Amino acid sequence: KQEVTQIPAALSVPEGENLVLNCSFTDSAIYNLQWFRQDPGKGLTSLLLIQSSQREQTSGRLNASLDKSSGRSTLYIAASQPGDSATYLCAVLETSGSRLTFGEGTQLTVNP
Amino acid sequence: GAGVSQSPSNKVTEKGKDVELRCDPISGHTALYWYRQSLGQGLEFLIYFQGNSAPDKSGLPSDRFSAERTGGSVSTLTIQRTQQEDSAVYLCASSLAGGPPDTQYFGPGTRLTVL
Repeated sequence: KQEVTQIPAALSVPEGENLVLNCSFTDSAIYNLQWFRQDPGKGLTSLLLIQSSQREQTSGRLNASLDKSSGRSTLYIAASQPGDSATYLCAVLETSGSRLTFGEGTQLTVNP
Repeated sequence: GAGVSQSPSNKVTEKGKDVELRCDPISGHTALYWYRQSLGQGLEFLIYFQGNSAPDKSGLPSDRFSAERTGGSVSTLTIQRTQQEDSAVYLCASSLAGGPPDTQYFGPGTRLTVL
């Protein structure tokens, strides 16, 4: 059974810092890995999707890497801003091609 | 529509009552998914529809949970004889065709509270 773990569970940083969120998964037979953002009381917003054949994806201040063989992904946020405060979720799409398996999330607070 | 919509946004019910949760996927998306987000359990897959069929419903936690989809569009998740442990946020997602490399787009969720 696929298990996804995110570290740390919570993170509080001052504005302007660069930071790294970690995600690990137990079964490397995945199609892709996705990072989502969730704001309180809201749904999920997709940030980056990395196909299994890719090593990284970038969008603005966000960069996500994938090392499928070791079962790890990182989300790098550059020059963090208070508006980045949210819960960040990592999810893998299993080879069945239907279900996403999610980690428990990292709750990020960026202090002005 | 512009995105996935769900209704109601909040639902409070008494233990033992039945509830229906609705999901309107993005127009043209053939795949639809239900997930549940509860404290201490994280976000869990419930069921996947391709058109009106459910090839994967292995995530439904008990036979009190059922879901249907009609016309390849709207889906309803029904919970019978609700229990307090059913309290959670129920999220719906849709994707263009299902499977990789599709992105799943999520709705805002329905927060269910069972008293």
